[in-house]
Amino acid sequence: NAGVTQTPKFQVLKTGQSMTLQCAQDMNHNSMYWYRQDPGMGLRLIYYSASEGTTDKGEVPNGYNVSRLNKREFSLRLESAAPSQTSVYFCASLGTGGSEQYFGPGTRLTVT
Amino acid sequence: AQSVAQPEDQVNVAEGNPLTVKCTYSVSGNPYLFWYVQYPNRGLQFLLKYITGDNLVKGSYGFEAEFNKSQTSFHLKKPSALVSDSALYFCAVSPVSGTYKYIFGTGTRLKVLA
Repeated sequence: NAGVTQTPKFQVLKTGQSMTLQCAQDMNHNSMYWYRQDPGMGLRLIYYSASEGTTDKGEVPNGYNVSRLNKREFSLRLESAAPSQTSVYFCASLGTGGSEQYFGPGTRLTVT
Repeated sequence: AQSVAQPEDQVNVAEGNPLTVKCTYSVSGNPYLFWYVQYPNRGLQFLLKYITGDNLVKGSYGFEAEFNKSQTSFHLKKPSALVSDSALYFCAVSPVSGTYKYIFGTGTRLKVLA
């Protein structure tokens, strides 16, 4: 039981490049989330998917797109990376509302 | 606007002393409340949660948290701190029961000194 997995662990991009961050969970959870963590800012929600087939914007969605590929997988895409997107990205999943979220190990992204 | 506040960026405590990490929230209704811990270069790990019932909630690693509805607070506590408790702690709130959006505080770094 791997829980929540994320790939890659580290990535360096040049401004304007694109990439997709992958996330998968094996807990049969309905809801999945993408957050970014920046010093002094805590965790900010980028997008979430309450259930398979639905996605919604969070607090900071600009510059990102998401795909809920199936119940297990939720990807985050940066179409044209900017230095302001340098951050640590966390994926999380949730079984039912009011439960605790389970977090992946994170992806450290640097945009130069 | 709904929010979660962790007023201290850092808390220093001597090993063996009690610790408190503060959290207050501004959310309507009866929210669910959570504490998570993050060790360096790791994801967040769940510590404990308050849904309803007893105001004192016990969680992992000897941590507990006290819910105070009148003060809208949910402070994390431990009777005797360990050096290994040094980490980043996040308070989180789920504003409405059944909702799927959680609001996180900015985090408090706990440093336990030997």
